Amino acid sequence: EVQLVQSGAEVKKPGESLKISCKGSGYRFTSYWIGWVRQMPGKGLEWMGLIYPGDSDSRYSPSFQGQVNISADKSISTAYLQWTSLKASDTAMYYCARGRSGLGSSGNYYYYMDVWGKGTTVTVSS
Amino acid sequence: QSVLTQPPSVSGAPGQRVTISCTGSSSNIGAVYDVHWYQQLPGTAPKLLIYSYNNRPSGVPDRFSGSKSGTSASLAINGLQAEDEADYYCQSYDSSLSGSVFGGGTKLTVL
Repeated sequence: EVQLVQSGAEVKKPGESLKISCKGSGYRFTSYWIGWVRQMPGKGLEWMGLIYPGDSDSRYSPSFQGQVNISADKSISTAYLQWTSLKASDTAMYYCARGRSGLGSSGNYYYYMDVWGKGTTVTVSS
Repeated sequence: QSVLTQPPSVSGAPGQRVTISCTGSSSNIGAVYDVHWYQQLPGTAPKLLIYSYNNRPSGVPDRFSGSKSGTSASLAINGLQAEDEADYYCQSYDSSLSGSVFGGGTKLTVL
């Protein structure tokens, strides 16, 4: 079974650092993108960025560039999302998801997320 | 303000058909980028519902379908059921942002 298992809920103080994880299993981890998505309380989904574990190529949404770091350790099939200095506004649910991308038969480019983790709740409060 | 615009809410009675729109621009839906749809049931992670406009992953009922016209896409749900009550999101790629984007989400209420 293809699945992504995310690390547990975190409660942190402003200014602290944090690294959450997403472990893939049931498929070739190095052959698919892993994307990260934020969902603030009561709000919609926001795409943060992604990484290709095969070569660690990473891309970021302009909204999150410089705010977080996305990395992966292919030896243990795990992707990470990291903050160096958390803010209260980082309080949210964070999802990782397996990404599929390519050129379709119509010539269109596609990127979608077909398998999702259950999410990691991050609470930042003094 | 999301790059892809969805109505905040739609509703319908059981058995009815509802549609959810997703309006973009020439840098995303109107360009060579596919649109995908996700369903998020209350308290759960999103689930892929439709990919590349009108393809359903295994296990998704054929009551769900998608389409595209110009710079907009639509999700249609036929034969509405109580368990369809959820938030629905469209997603595509935007060339001006060089990344993926989501719509703001639409809450479907089954009356």
